[in-house]
Amino acid sequence: QSALTQPPSASGSPGQSVTISCTGASSDVGTYNYVSWYQQHPGKAPKLMIYEVTKRPSGVPDRFSGSKSGNTASLTVSGLQAEDEADYYCCSYAGNIYWVFGGGTKLTVL
Amino acid sequence: QVQLQQSGPGLVKPSQTLSLTCAISGDSVSSNSVAWNWIRQSPSRGLEWLGRTYYRSNWIYDYAVSVRSRITVNPDTSKNQFSLQLNSVTPDDTALYYCARGKSFAFDTWGQGTMVSVSS
Repeated sequence: QSALTQPPSASGSPGQSVTISCTGASSDVGTYNYVSWYQQHPGKAPKLMIYEVTKRPSGVPDRFSGSKSGNTASLTVSGLQAEDEADYYCCSYAGNIYWVFGGGTKLTVL
Repeated sequence: QVQLQQSGPGLVKPSQTLSLTCAISGDSVSSNSVAWNWIRQSPSRGLEWLGRTYYRSNWIYDYAVSVRSRITVNPDTSKNQFSLQLNSVTPDDTALYYCARGKSFAFDTWGQGTMVSVSS
C-alpha cells in the first residue's frame, strides 16, 4: 500500500485556522472511517489528536477537529497557538490488518 | 494513566536480531479491549506499522507484509510487557522504534521511542 499524501508544510498566524489535508485511496481513507491524526513535537513521541475521523481523545482541545470527504481526510486547527507548532501525521486503517501513515506536515505558527 | 516504557539496545549488527521490550503500566497486556503494537519511523520510510498482539480468548498476532517473514511480537504476562524481535536486520531497518497501544483503530498511547542503528 502507498503512503497517504500530505502537504509538507502549512502555516498560520496565532488565532487563525489552518487545515491540513490527507489524501489516500478508495481502499483506505475512502472505505474506512478509521482515520487518525497525530501531533509530534521534536524529539517526542507522536500524540493522538483525532481518531475515527472526527473524535477527540480526552484532553485534546476542541480547537482540533477532523473531517473526511471521499478519499481525503482533513485536520483543522482553529485559534492557532504557538504550542501547536509541530509535525502532524494522518493514519488510516487500510484493511487486511494494516495501517498506512501520511508523510507528515510541518505546521508553523508565524 | 497508561504508560509504556521501552528498553533495548540502540545498536545491532547486520544480519543479527533486533530485540526491544515495552513495559506496560496502567493497563494489562491481557486486556481484551486493546492491542499492543510496534511502529517505526525513519526519514526514508516515514511512519510504518510493523505488527501487534492482543488477547481475545487466545493470543492473536498480526504483522505487516513487509516484515512478516522476520518479525515476532510476543506478550509476557508475568511482567506485563510485550516485545519485538526483528531478525536478519539490514541498515534499512535503522529507525526510531515505538511501541503503542491500539484502541478504536488508532494508537492512543506511545512509548518514548528507541533509536536503533544497524551497523557493523
